[in-house]
Amino acid sequence: NAGVTQTPKFRILKIGQSMTLQCTQDMNHNYMYWYRQDPGMGLKLIYYSVGAGITDKGEVPNGYNVSRSTTEDFPLRLELAAPSQTSVYFCASSWTSGREETQYFGPGTRLLVL
Amino acid sequence: GESVGLHLPTLSVQEGDNSIINCAYSNSASDYFIWYKQESGKGPQFIIDIRSNMDKRQGQRVTVLLNKTVKHLSLQIAATQPGDSAVYFCAENTGSNAGNMLTFGGGTRLMVKP
Repeated sequence: NAGVTQTPKFRILKIGQSMTLQCTQDMNHNYMYWYRQDPGMGLKLIYYSVGAGITDKGEVPNGYNVSRSTTEDFPLRLELAAPSQTSVYFCASSWTSGREETQYFGPGTRLLVL
Repeated sequence: GESVGLHLPTLSVQEGDNSIINCAYSNSASDYFIWYKQESGKGPQFIIDIRSNMDKRQGQRVTVLLNKTVKHLSLQIAATQPGDSAVYFCAENTGSNAGNMLTFGGGTRLMVKP
């Protein structure tokens, strides 16, 4: 199994541009998550999904959108990029919601908004 | 708000010594805790977890201790090796109705001197 994969690895955006960060997992996990990690900081939850067709906001959802059309994929959309969205974005998945079931993380996407 | 935090942002140890990384949590409802290791440029990697009905759990060279009385969590690494150099995060499952999400601490950087 490849686990959790993310693309791209790195991207530079201009203010106001849009992009989609891709996330795919091949472990048949029902729960998926998007986090952002600012330099020297911990992870903050942006959005999560408990299954195909179901998504919900996390701690810092403003400026982002998600969709979950399949079990495997959970893309994160930035519609109008802002410098405050410069960060490293991690996607994760787990069997359940995190209670006694660990989350497995992808390698991350580094985003720079100029 | 309630959060998970760490006492020491940076810990430097000699190769072969034991390392202890500490974490304080404030949410008394948390019942599941995880330690993650994050190497430079990579996503967090699961190390060990512990449920609130336990006070100690051992893995290979790692031990997690949980003191619910003072809401303190620690990660002990025996015979620290250069490959242990990384940032270590504790995370708690807050047990909320919103999908039992994980809340991450700010991280401690472990530096192993040869």
